[in-house]
Amino acid sequence: ILNVEQSPQSLHVQEGDSTNFTCSFPSSNFYALHWYRWETAKSPKALFVMTLNGDEKKKGRISATLNTKEGYSYLYIKGSQPEDSATYLCAFGSSNTGKLIFGQGTTLQVKP
Amino acid sequence: EAGVAQSPRYKIIEKRQSVAFWCNPISGHATLYWYQQILGQGPKLLIQFQNNGVVDDSQLPKDRFSAERLKGVDSTLKIQPAKLEDSAVYLCASSLGPDRARWQYFGPGTRLTVT
Repeated sequence: ILNVEQSPQSLHVQEGDSTNFTCSFPSSNFYALHWYRWETAKSPKALFVMTLNGDEKKKGRISATLNTKEGYSYLYIKGSQPEDSATYLCAFGSSNTGKLIFGQGTTLQVKP
Repeated sequence: EAGVAQSPRYKIIEKRQSVAFWCNPISGHATLYWYQQILGQGPKLLIQFQNNGVVDDSQLPKDRFSAERLKGVDSTLKIQPAKLEDSAVYLCASSLGPDRARWQYFGPGTRLTVT
């Protein structure tokens, strides 16, 4: 059974704080790693897809890194804003199966 | 670009009743997914279509769940009869193709409550 774990489960920060989350996944048979942002009452939106060990992606204040050999990815948010409040999901794509396995998500609340 | 449409957004039914959800994917997207997200867990793939053919339905409880994608566009997911444990958000997603490195585009989901 493929297991994808995210930590922490939830996070409360003040506006302006920087924060990061972890996604842990199997270190074998890696194919792709996705990050999605899911705001309340909206659709989950893709942030990044990474396929190569050492990949780093950036979009504005949000960035992600990937280590496929040890099986983890970090998502960083620099200078959190209230509009960053959402659940952040990671999803692991294995070369053995055709589907993505999602973690349970990290819920971020940014207080003004 | 129009997004993935789903309806209804919310549904409350009693156990043993039936319910159906509808999804309209992004135009041109050949691959369509239905996910079930139970509170506190990550989305779990129920069924994946490539055009109008089923690619993966290994986690679909086939005694009560069914899905179809006629003409390779819209899709419906049905539960009959519903159980309390079916209470969840049902997400539809689409992508240009089945490659796991392709972005998946999600609809807003249908929140089902079974009482």
